[in-house]
Amino acid sequence: GENVEQHPSTLSVQEGDSAVIKCTYSDSASNYFPWYKQELGKRPQLIIDIRSNVGEKKDQRIAVTLNKTAKHFSLHITETQPEDSAVYFCAASRLFDNTGRRALTFGSGTRLQVQP
Amino acid sequence: EAQVTQNPRYLITVTGKKLTVTCSQNMNHEYMSWYRQDPGLGLRQIYYSMNVEVTDKGDVPEGYKVSRKEKRNFPLILESPSPNQTSLYFCASSFDYHNQPQHFGDGTRLSIL
Repeated sequence: GENVEQHPSTLSVQEGDSAVIKCTYSDSASNYFPWYKQELGKRPQLIIDIRSNVGEKKDQRIAVTLNKTAKHFSLHITETQPEDSAVYFCAASRLFDNTGRRALTFGSGTRLQVQP
Repeated sequence: EAQVTQNPRYLITVTGKKLTVTCSQNMNHEYMSWYRQDPGLGLRQIYYSMNVEVTDKGDVPEGYKVSRKEKRNFPLILESPSPNQTSLYFCASSFDYHNQPQHFGDGTRLSIL
């Protein structure tokens, strides 16, 4: 099955700096990579996702890059703000595939702390 | 309002006493899933369902059962709960498997003594 590793487990940055979180996956057939943000005591919420036919995707201060050859993808947050403080999870799964188990495998999470 | 509703939100119970956590979505979603969240381990999928009467095991199915008799409901059943099932549980749904993202419920915190 799929295995997703996420680094770092904790990340502290100063407000205005950039933050980068990296994930690697094991299943070369995975083709969908979402990122979720979970604030303390709240549900996970999707912030951005990328499919394997795209190498990079941006949404305002958030971007995700994907390297299919190396099987890794990264979340980039620019101009960080205190409200970006949360736990971020990457995940990987197969879409549009009629073989194999259809499940979403999450990384272990990164706790991001943005210092004012 | 589109939502995924879990009940109960909190439960403290004892080993061996059967319990059910309900999950209901009002978005006519085909795909539903259960996860458990433990510190340092992230979210791990327990079971998922592609549609009514179609369920399959996730990464950590041992000790759990599910059913999908209706499209909107996907209950999680612990027939004989044990302390290692103490965790935070999330139900999620999406329009279908090929159309993410998944919408999560508010979570159920289970403590098995």
